[in-house]
Amino acid sequence: AQKITQTQPGMFVQEKEAVTLDCTYDTSDPSYGLFWYKQPSSGEMIFLIYQGSYDQQNATEGRYSLNFQKARKSANLVISASQLGDSAMYFCAMREGDGGYQKVTFGTGTKLQVIP
Amino acid sequence: NAGVMQNPRHLVRRRGQEARLRCSPMKGHSHVYWYRQLPEEGLKFMVYLQKENIIDESGMPKERFSAEFPKEGPSILRIQQVVRGDSAAYFCASSTGGGIYTGELFFGEGSRLTVL
Repeated sequence: AQKITQTQPGMFVQEKEAVTLDCTYDTSDPSYGLFWYKQPSSGEMIFLIYQGSYDQQNATEGRYSLNFQKARKSANLVISASQLGDSAMYFCAMREGDGGYQKVTFGTGTKLQVIP
Repeated sequence: NAGVMQNPRHLVRRRGQEARLRCSPMKGHSHVYWYRQLPEEGLKFMVYLQKENIIDESGMPKERFSAEFPKEGPSILRIQQVVRGDSAAYFCASSTGGGIYTGELFFGEGSRLTVL
């Protein structure tokens, strides 16, 4: 079974609009963390946002917010007020385990294109 | 405070040669992960190491690939007798240990292997 599922291979959004990138996960571990990374065409991996499984509130970082629904095992990324520079691949990832063992698995990514 | 350093950034090898990719984690980080990214695809987990130990190598091909993270020095991903299908970007990431509230996984800029 896939640990991290991103069902949207590609998305388009109008500049200045908000967009939601979907991510669902599968784990039986009570301790886990969820990440979103951005990979522009230049290839580097840019950390955007992190949510711990025990965090009570949804994580926010500037224009990025993570819509964490634990019961549904979803961790969607919301980008508000999209900018042309947001065009990139976006990867959802999950870290399982605590302390000595922490495996991190990535989804297949969503390619976001912001339209002027 | 240097980030995760990977070298070489670009490597060209002929079929049958060996490729060695190096990764120096961030200072104080004891967990290292290697991922492979084929063109237009997501990050595929290869191996997870801590100092002097391979924790999880479930993503490593059974033959020709090996990894190490010695007590001193960088982590090395070694590919023997390379084939064209090994052409990819290889990313290294590091994190601290000790619990899920360790935040992001820090990535290097990747090593791009081309096999002729």
